[in-house]
Amino acid sequence: GENVEQHPSTLSVQEGDSAVIKCTYSDSASNYFPWYKQELGKGPQLIIDIRSNVGEKKDQRIAVTLNKTAKHFSLHITETQPEDSAVYFCAASDPGAGSYQLTFGKGTKLSVIP
Amino acid sequence: SAVISQKPSRDICQRGTSLTIQCQVDSQVTMMFWYRQQPGQSLTLIATANQGSEATYESGFVIDKFPISRPNLTFSTLTVSNMSPEDSSIYLCSVQGGGGQPQHFGDGTRLSIL
Repeated sequence: GENVEQHPSTLSVQEGDSAVIKCTYSDSASNYFPWYKQELGKGPQLIIDIRSNVGEKKDQRIAVTLNKTAKHFSLHITETQPEDSAVYFCAASDPGAGSYQLTFGKGTKLSVIP
Repeated sequence: SAVISQKPSRDICQRGTSLTIQCQVDSQVTMMFWYRQQPGQSLTLIATANQGSEATYESGFVIDKFPISRPNLTFSTLTVSNMSPEDSSIYLCSVQGGGGQPQHFGDGTRLSIL
């Protein structure tokens, strides 16, 4: 089955700086890669996703890039703000188990220091 | 996106008892899933709740311990049976519309077993 590795596990940045979180996946047939933000006491919230036919997608301060050859994808947050502090999870679809299922990385705790 | 309500939001239970968690969606969805998130950990899929038929369980999870119902396209329940302290976790419901649509999560049920 699919395996997703996520780095770093913790990340601290100064407010206004950029943050980058990286994930690698093992199944070259995976074709969908969402990112979720989980705040304390809440469920994961989808913030951006990308499909394998696209190399980059941007939504305001958030962007995701995908390198299918290397099997890795990254989340980029620019001009970070204190409200960006949360745990971020990457995920990949697992077509071997049915295209609806997701395999998650272990998460990155992002702290934005004012 | 769909509005997902989980009940209860949290509970403290005695060892050996069972608890049923409800997940209600405000619109019909194709897929409903149940995840477990142990403290400080990532999300692990327990099972896919199938409407009108038995749920599909992932490796390591069994129906006797985690019976699931899905009577219609907007509602599902997960029961955690014969609980032990190791079952202390956040239990999350997620939903997905038709093929290719993103998964969205409820805020979870925070369960502590004494």
